[in-house]
Amino acid sequence: AQKVTQAQTEISVVEKEDVTLDCVYETRDTTYYLFWYKQPPSGELVFLIRRNSFDEQNEISGRYSWNFQKSTSSFNFTITASQVVDSAVYFCALLVRFQKLVFGTGTRLLVSP
Amino acid sequence: KAGVTQTPRYLIKTRGQQVTLSCSPISGHRSVSWYQQTPGQGLQFLFEYFSETQRNKGNFPGRFSGRQFSNSRSEMNVSTLELGDSALYLCASSLMGATTNEKLFFGSGTQLSVL
Repeated sequence: AQKVTQAQTEISVVEKEDVTLDCVYETRDTTYYLFWYKQPPSGELVFLIRRNSFDEQNEISGRYSWNFQKSTSSFNFTITASQVVDSAVYFCALLVRFQKLVFGTGTRLLVSP
Repeated sequence: KAGVTQTPRYLIKTRGQQVTLSCSPISGHRSVSWYQQTPGQGLQFLFEYFSETQRNKGNFPGRFSGRQFSNSRSEMNVSTLELGDSALYLCASSLMGATTNEKLFFGSGTQLSVL
């Protein structure tokens, strides 16, 4: 069975701090995809990144970066110099062999001015 | 390009009633999938429709059903509502489907409260 664990339920930081959101996944398949989505207070989930299991390169997009490590089954997300607009719930998700997308329970990030 | 539109935004029903939620995908998207979000269970996959056919289904009772029309708009129906059905119901669209590796575009959801 596939599973995604986001152990951090809620994180509070002050603006300009760096913050890392953890994601640990479980699957026995060798082909899979990992995603991060952001859910702002408006409710809709917004796609942030997709990574396939054969590409362990880390990725940076502006203040966002992702660290994918197959050895520890982790796909962590770091926000550098956080801003108030980053306040949201962040979901990590796993897609295996074109089955249903499995989401973690989410991490609520609160960035204070 | 308009995003995914879900109606209504809020809904209040009583136990035993039935409810229909609507989702209009992004123009050109043929796949619509539905998710239930609750504080206790998180985001759970309900089902996916592609070109009017149900392609995948989550572990929900038969009270939860859906359909997709020829214009890709989708409706979700819940019959004999229970208190536990109170949740945010999210719809997502994509070109080829939630079971591919495409990114999904989500609507803002319908917040259903069952009293």
